[in-house]
Amino acid sequence: GIQVEQSPPDLILQEGANSTLRCNFSDSVNNLQWFHQNPWGQLINLFYIPSGTKQNGRLSATTVATERYSLLYISSSQTTDSGVYFCAVEGNYGGATNKLIFGTGTLLAVQP
Amino acid sequence: NAGVMQNPRHLVRRRGQEARLRCSPMKGHSHVYWYRQLPEEGLKFMVYLQKENIIDESGMPKERFSAEFPKEGPSILRIQQVVRGDSAAYFCASSPTGRELFFGEGSRLTVL
Repeated sequence: GIQVEQSPPDLILQEGANSTLRCNFSDSVNNLQWFHQNPWGQLINLFYIPSGTKQNGRLSATTVATERYSLLYISSSQTTDSGVYFCAVEGNYGGATNKLIFGTGTLLAVQP
Repeated sequence: NAGVMQNPRHLVRRRGQEARLRCSPMKGHSHVYWYRQLPEEGLKFMVYLQKENIIDESGMPKERFSAEFPKEGPSILRIQQVVRGDSAAYFCASSPTGRELFFGEGSRLTVL
């Protein structure tokens, strides 16, 4: 099956710093999403981005499907950005069942 | 528009009892998914349902687990004769199109 690798595994930032999180996947995909799991365990949908670039406030994401990677950018980080960031993909095997395969996540801690 | 609603948020069961987890999708969403997050692990797909139909249950354990999404009412994930290894966070997600997923806050099952 498709493999999803995220880097770095963990990251500590000072408030106000910028960061880039990376997601590599081993095969072509027809679905890619970024999620944030906050310290209370809630999973928040950040981006649906199988290709191209999107921005939402201080967050933006880019997926280069032909090179099998996606990047999540966090600018001017805040303590509320802390948590685990997951990339999840569905392989392009025909049809769409949204059987997302999750990466192992990047644990982000933003210090005041 | 209310988000995906899951209940109970926390459930404690003794070994051998039954656990029932409920999920009400977002309004207008006809695709429902269940994922499980074991301690120190990522999220794993369990089952994909549409109204009155199981579309893909390839991630469900073969025994003791079942899921339904009836014509009326919430989706139910049922675990019979729970064991300690079933302790996990169970997340429900819904989608309007079968593409972008929106997750609930999860139900945390503890088996004593």
